[in-house]
Amino acid sequence: DTAVSQTPKYLVTQMGNDKSIKCEQNLGHDTMYWYKQDSKKFLKIMFSYNNKELIINETVPNRFSPKSPDKAHLNLHINSLELGDSAVYFCASSETQGRYNNEQFFGPGTRLTVL
Amino acid sequence: GENVEQHPSTLSVQEGDSAVIKCTYSDSASNYFPWYKQELGKRPQLIIDIRSNVGEKKDQRIAVTLNKTAKHFSLHITETQPEDSAVYFCAAKRGADGLTFGKGTHLIIQP
Repeated sequence: DTAVSQTPKYLVTQMGNDKSIKCEQNLGHDTMYWYKQDSKKFLKIMFSYNNKELIINETVPNRFSPKSPDKAHLNLHINSLELGDSAVYFCASSETQGRYNNEQFFGPGTRLTVL
Repeated sequence: GENVEQHPSTLSVQEGDSAVIKCTYSDSASNYFPWYKQELGKRPQLIIDIRSNVGEKKDQRIAVTLNKTAKHFSLHITETQPEDSAVYFCAAKRGADGLTFGKGTHLIIQP
């Protein structure tokens, strides 16, 4: 069974549209993340979230918003898409026991292309 | 916030030789340092990690060293094989923050 899954795998859309990417983990982890990997392969944290706290990278535009219906899901909503939003978006999860960090498991990625 | 520098950006080694990738971090509160391998079109996958209370960790051909005083950590791969060719990322993390990644090293294993 897939530990961290994302849908869709590919997303092609027009500028100005609103879109969502879904993420689910079946590992029972308490923390989920969204990362953006641009065309130069740079991986950057966008959000980290557990049921207590949302941490937002200050460089992320407010057009991006995470939504967590429950502990196993963290969806990413993007409003008014721009060309520069084209990238691969990775969801990840981990069990974070206070200050003690554990392995983050990544989803397969969603390649977003904005035309 | 945290800043992670990674060098080199590209590393080409002969099959069977060793490869070393180095990273530095800026935030002394970071306490977790994983290394990820990413093959083309695939997700990043953890290959080894180290916590701030440990100076060195080894797993078969892969080892990581951490110098907290100098705020740098390194990945060592011995007896390199063609399947080691990939992009390798170092990262640093503290608390509930997400991982801050280095810019990656493209490792090429020459036959």
